Amino acid sequence: NAGVTQTPKFQVLKTGQSMTLQCAQDMNHEYMSWYRQDPGMGLRLIHYSVGAGITDQGEVPNGYNVSRSTTEDFPLRLLSAAPSQTSVYFCASSYSSSPYEQYFGPGTRLTVT
Amino acid sequence: GQSLEQPSEVTAVEGAIVQINCTYQTSGFYGLSWYQQHDGGAPTFLSYNALDGLEETGRFSSFLSRSDSYGYLLLQELQMKDSASYFCAVKGDDKIIFGKGTRLHILP
Repeated sequence: NAGVTQTPKFQVLKTGQSMTLQCAQDMNHEYMSWYRQDPGMGLRLIHYSVGAGITDQGEVPNGYNVSRSTTEDFPLRLLSAAPSQTSVYFCASSYSSSPYEQYFGPGTRLTVT
Repeated sequence: GQSLEQPSEVTAVEGAIVQINCTYQTSGFYGLSWYQQHDGGAPTFLSYNALDGLEETGRFSSFLSRSDSYGYLLLQELQMKDSASYFCAVKGDDKIIFGKGTRLHILP
């Protein structure tokens, strides 16, 4: 099992550019989520999904879109990048029966200039 | 809404015991979990409490009091490799929300 994979590991964008952060898991987990981590702010939930075709907003959804067309993939789209979106982004997944035990990907470090 | 409070930093001596507290506010409480994160790494799951009481996993234990909306993580026989950030997380309704994390410094 590869677990949770994220690409790219590092990315630099200019203000106004768009991009998609990829997340995939091979554990057949129903629950997937995206977090951003900024110094002193912990992990803040952006969007989450309880299964294919179902997504919902977290604590800080503005400026981000998600879709969940398959169980395995949960991409995060930045519509028009802003410097405030400079952060480390983590994707996580878990079984719906044990959502408290999330498996995290290695993270994507994004810088917006 | 949901919110969690935990100390920003804790310092302890190698070989000692340290407790990291977490208080929470949530609607529809389903459980409190704990994660460890080393610098530059991803969070990894440590433990989970759905019911009141103590859960023990090796050197780590976690406690929950639902009536007090309070829990703690207890680390025993501290080792230098335990230097990391520790996050509590609560599941309410469908969302899993994390605290801001406690940085654990260990002195030799």
